[in-house]
Amino acid sequence: KAGVTQTPRYLIKTRGQQVTLSCSPISGHRSVSWYQQTPGQGLQFLFEYFSETQRNKGNFPGRFSGRQFSNSRSEMNVSTLELGDSALYLCASSFGLAGEKETQYFGPGTRLLVL
Amino acid sequence: AQRVTQPEKLLSVFKGAPVELKCNYSYSGSPELFWYVQYSRQRLQLLLRHISRESIKGFTADLNKGETSFHLKKPFAQEEDSAMYYCALSGLVTSGSRLTFGEGTQLTVNP
Repeated sequence: KAGVTQTPRYLIKTRGQQVTLSCSPISGHRSVSWYQQTPGQGLQFLFEYFSETQRNKGNFPGRFSGRQFSNSRSEMNVSTLELGDSALYLCASSFGLAGEKETQYFGPGTRLLVL
Repeated sequence: AQRVTQPEKLLSVFKGAPVELKCNYSYSGSPELFWYVQYSRQRLQLLLRHISRESIKGFTADLNKGETSFHLKKPFAQEEDSAMYYCALSGLVTSGSRLTFGEGTQLTVNP
């Protein structure tokens, strides 16, 4: 079956702008998690959505937000972009019913560059 | 709080040599541990998880709760094993899950 897809794959924005990233999970998966990957901080958890509700949240400022639609697709929004937001944003999906035992499947990522 | 440490950022071995990628964790409960791998220009993918007790591509990992470690081992490294390896811990959080990753180890297998 098709894997996790993310669009767009690359983005260039300027400081102060906002950006929306999209993630389509594997069919049947209801949980979508977002991660930020940077050379300095590594992979950090942003938030998790399950059945259109945010279920978990990492330690990121309120400029980072997300939502999930009834078909489990998810979007992530970053407002008032800062240079430090330049990163690879990864989306991962899972069934969402087995707690910590879940295996998460990752998309290819969206590479965001903030100038 | 949950934390994962991979002490080696870079690891270089020769083909056919044994390889061990170290991973230590801290977590107050009973964690689930994973190893993810990222080959060049490919997405992050699951290599193995401790609950499965599988051997994938010749790799194994044993959870040592006393030493809070989950080291990844392979007896004979192959050139195609060159990749970035991430150890990750999943802890139960309000019925969902979140992965905490280590900093990663870049493994290079030389011919």
